[in-house]
Amino acid sequence: GESVGLHLPTLSVQEGDNSIINCAYSNSASDYFIWYKQESGKGPQFIIDIRSNMDKRQGQRVTVLLNKTVKHLSLQIAATQPGDSAVYFCAENISYETDKLIFGTGTRLQVFP
Amino acid sequence: SAVISQKPSRDICQRGTSLTIQCQVDSQVTMMFWYRQQPGQSLTLIATANQGSEATYESGFVIDKFPISRPNLTFSTLTVSNMSPEDSSIYLCSARTVTHEQYFGPGTRLTVT
Repeated sequence: GESVGLHLPTLSVQEGDNSIINCAYSNSASDYFIWYKQESGKGPQFIIDIRSNMDKRQGQRVTVLLNKTVKHLSLQIAATQPGDSAVYFCAENISYETDKLIFGTGTRLQVFP
Repeated sequence: SAVISQKPSRDICQRGTSLTIQCQVDSQVTMMFWYRQQPGQSLTLIATANQGSEATYESGFVIDKFPISRPNLTFSTLTVSNMSPEDSSIYLCSARTVTHEQYFGPGTRLTVT
């Protein structure tokens, strides 16, 4: 499949370790944030979302943290597995009415056995 | 959630021709969008596909180049007109559910020669 994220920052972790992927967003008025996972040759896959009235949300093996003071978002993946290898994008929703998403530059996660 | 399909999955086209990409959602969604993802880069919003009316285009994208239709709640098309090699990219359809989550299709990989 076509490669995604050929020139993206890369995070390399060992299988079983925890991963933390960071994202700085641009608009202090953004009220909704989504993390996507994109594997090579595929479309972005919804992982987890968080609204601006929360600072933490947990899913299955994933946690998203939101720090509105410094406009920072992070995705934590527990017990990282080889299947987690992909490019991860954060996206901010700048308007609840229009739902336009602005995507971050992306981070490539590589998991080594 | 919503499951989104796109046709074609990939195509190789000659410059000066046009290609229409179809997007089908398996359930009724409130909004549909078209994005472009150039190799190794993040996603850029092209336009919001409005049901029964003209699409809303983002800065840098115009209707003559990227005409969009959305005849009903679950189907949309994007046409890439008068193609040049610079249009080579991945084109992605997305849809917003009533709970504001956005899901993406698998993408259409376009190469213009």
